[in-house]
Amino acid sequence: QSALTQPPSASGSPGQSVTISCTGTSSDVGAHNYVSWYQQHPGKAPKLMIYEVNQRPSGVPDRFSGSKSGNTASLTVSGLQAEDEADYYCYANAGGNIWVFGGGTKLTVL
Amino acid sequence: QVQLVQSGSELKKPGASVKVSCKASGYSFNKHGMTWVRQAPGQGLEWLGWINTDSGNPTYAQGFTGRFVFSLDTSVSTAYLEIRSLQTEDTAVYYCAREPITLDYWGQGTLVIVSS
Repeated sequence: QSALTQPPSASGSPGQSVTISCTGTSSDVGAHNYVSWYQQHPGKAPKLMIYEVNQRPSGVPDRFSGSKSGNTASLTVSGLQAEDEADYYCYANAGGNIWVFGGGTKLTVL
Repeated sequence: QVQLVQSGSELKKPGASVKVSCKASGYSFNKHGMTWVRQAPGQGLEWLGWINTDSGNPTYAQGFTGRFVFSLDTSVSTAYLEIRSLQTEDTAVYYCAREPITLDYWGQGTLVIVSS
């Protein structure tokens, strides 16, 4: 199974919106709604931010939203804040009992 | 509250084995699978596979069959990742995470260093 494709980096100024893409195929991202997103700060464990394409777990700010079109899922962070600076990973089912991560995107708040 | 607590850092020589533990608490252990993820230094997250905590059936990612072994001790709500014949390229932080579908809770990570 191949890793999902994410841009290596993204950036925005405080208060702006940034969208991170996650491109797969019709066998993974495009096949179902089991796409989730994780935030990871340096030296910390990843944290679930979005699940099932666009669902937010309790406690995650509504500045974080998810969507999907065809084989590409997206994570949008609105009203950027300094603490949003982190690495972000998408994750999706690749068929059967197999799952796969994206390569990760480093989000910089300018 | 749900917690996954992993064992401490390990320093091993090439060719040795290591067993990382992940002790779960705050939920019914056999109701949620356990996923293993690794992160090499400066690299992204890599899915190693998961184990069904009800049946004990493991699923491994391509390239992680043979040397990587998932196991359980349900009596103490603990999942294990054993890595055999360690190679320097296995140096990484290894995480356990609840569930294969949505990784809603994560362990703190276990650093495994393989060096002669």
